[in-house]
Amino acid sequence: DAGVTQSPTHLIKTRGQHVTLRCSPISGHKSVSWYQQVLGQGPQFIFQYYEKEERGRGNFPDRFSARQFPNYSSELNVNALLLGDSALYLCASSLPGATNEKLFFGSGTQLSVL
Amino acid sequence: QQQVKQSPQSLIVQKGGISIINCAYENTAFDYFPWYQQFPGKGPALLIAIRPDVSEKKEGRFTISFNKSAKQFSLHIMDSQPGDSATYFCAATSDSNYQLIWGAGTKLIIKP
Repeated sequence: DAGVTQSPTHLIKTRGQHVTLRCSPISGHKSVSWYQQVLGQGPQFIFQYYEKEERGRGNFPDRFSARQFPNYSSELNVNALLLGDSALYLCASSLPGATNEKLFFGSGTQLSVL
Repeated sequence: QQQVKQSPQSLIVQKGGISIINCAYENTAFDYFPWYQQFPGKGPALLIAIRPDVSEKKEGRFTISFNKSAKQFSLHIMDSQPGDSATYFCAATSDSNYQLIWGAGTKLIIKP
């Protein structure tokens, strides 16, 4: 079975641009969470979606938005990119009823903002 | 109060030795404490987790020790192997919380 897949794996953007990151959860998983991991730090929570509804949002500006589609895949959008947005963006999925337990992470999208 | 403090930042252990990583939390509402292992270029993978109703949980060479009164928990890796070399993260959350609160990570190197 395929794990959590994220695309693209690497991305280079310039300040002020917009970026869309994509995530496909494990089959049968209905919850998707997004985390930002800056080099040398632990992941920081951005969003959690369950059944296409936003269930939680971390302390990130409105430039960050996300959505979940009927097939449970998800997109993370970041507008007006700043240098500080450079990070590894991780997507995780989990089974229904286990939203924070047994999170399965993808390998992430490495975003570099120049 | 949402922080999880992890130490040490880095750790070098000889093959066959015991690796110990410590974490402390402040929020008494936390009731789920997982440890994740992350290799370079990969996402974190759940290693082992514990709830506060037990003081210890063992899975193979990995053991979590939990001290509820001190609000501390630790990961012990017995008979450490070079393949255990990775970054380890502790985390905490509660059923009413939709996010995991992560420690800053410990880079573990096992010397052959």
